[in-house]
Amino acid sequence: GAGVSQSPSNKVTEKGKDVELRCDPISGHTALYWYRQSLGQGLEFLIYFQGNSAPDKSGLPSDRFSAERTGGSVSTLTIQRTQQEDSAVYLCASSLELAYGTGRTLAKNIQYFGAGTRLSVL
Amino acid sequence: EDQVTQSPEALRLQEGESSSLNCSYTVSGLRGLFWYRQDPGKGPEFLFTLYSAGEEKEKERLKATLTKKESFLHITAPKPEDSATYLCAVQADRGSTLGRLYFGRGTQLTVWP
Repeated sequence: GAGVSQSPSNKVTEKGKDVELRCDPISGHTALYWYRQSLGQGLEFLIYFQGNSAPDKSGLPSDRFSAERTGGSVSTLTIQRTQQEDSAVYLCASSLELAYGTGRTLAKNIQYFGAGTRLSVL
Repeated sequence: EDQVTQSPEALRLQEGESSSLNCSYTVSGLRGLFWYRQDPGKGPEFLFTLYSAGEEKEKERLKATLTKKESFLHITAPKPEDSATYLCAVQADRGSTLGRLYFGRGTQLTVWP
């Protein structure tokens, strides 16, 4: 597709259940990012992938959160034993690559976002 | 600690009334600053990226500028369809954290006819 695709768009779950959120990046984009947006809060970084590896997992709020990416494309964010404080919009983004250059090279770092998955934990 | 602060939190303008949104940042080694627009129920939509102090970018009624400590998003003669939340984010020049963007909380702009 033309943009970043996320599914489901909405997810309602009961406290203690596990959930999986899916992200399909823009075709040809090698870098993929997960963020969380809570009501009244800014976007909070969770994790990013360069290819299939995740150099920076430090944004994951607890060990109940994990993410994987296979084949350098689709990524899944898994939340185990969900809690009410996990309720938020989970946003995925992708960029052409993660460039270490300067100036216009950094245009490859521009992150394009999907519409998000709204997670509600009852 | 890296911080991005946006002001004002909310702004109401009459159609045609120009104004500016502010984004101030403290980051060790700025690699890039990004402006996004977010409509309710949607993901952020990329607007501009700025890399060095003094740089300016324009798109229709929007113009973004960058200094060493802040960025401004100028809106000239806004229209109701410009109503949205405008987000500012920075990318820091640090090894393994290069991939993360640090976002401000946004400015909610409402333009009324």
